[in-house]
Amino acid sequence: DQQVKQNSPSLSVQEGRISILNCDYTNSMFDYFLWYKKYPAEGPTFLISISSIKDKNEDGRFTVFLNKSAKHLSLHIVPSQPGDSAVYFCAAEDTDKLIFGTGTRLQVFP
Amino acid sequence: DTAVSQTPKYLVTQMGNDKSIKCEQNLGHDTMYWYKQDSKKFLKIMFSYNNKELIINETVPNRFSPKSPDKAHLNLHINSLELGDSAVYFCASSQLQGNGYTFGSGTRLTVV
Repeated sequence: DQQVKQNSPSLSVQEGRISILNCDYTNSMFDYFLWYKKYPAEGPTFLISISSIKDKNEDGRFTVFLNKSAKHLSLHIVPSQPGDSAVYFCAAEDTDKLIFGTGTRLQVFP
Repeated sequence: DTAVSQTPKYLVTQMGNDKSIKCEQNLGHDTMYWYKQDSKKFLKIMFSYNNKELIINETVPNRFSPKSPDKAHLNLHINSLELGDSAVYFCASSQLQGNGYTFGSGTRLTVV
């Protein structure tokens, strides 16, 4: 039973446009939600997080939105750059572990 | 200077063998983890240790035995390797909730 879901396996966006990656979760008790970026043959790299008591967190080109009533979060990247092409994982932080979604492959084309 | 380093990066071995993967972090974090990424790219926790004490053992077969000699190291020993153990294994560490985990670059294990 997957507690964190990313229903879009892939997304293709033109350079300069906005990329929106989505994530749904089932457990309303999660404390934090995080986004990770992963390149091939590398480990996941932490991008941005949001506390469950907030609804938005911004860091440069990256903004995460949390909708607790819908149990949904999204990552906005604007403007998208070719170097953003990677797999993005959504994760929920329980007390002592991260639970990951299955990832969305983002491709940013010129 | 790599924050979380794991060795080896690639490991090819025959069924039935015993192998170890080593992990070290120089971040001063109290908690370390092993995650497994299977063929469907799903990242799932296996173990977590806090200051050398086992916190989580996520229904992993007992052929897998983690060992933490000190809080900077968490090694993974696997006995009697099976084909289904083929995966990428990631070590990670963390300190504060919400600050993100730092992952190593992974060990790709192939059992033939």
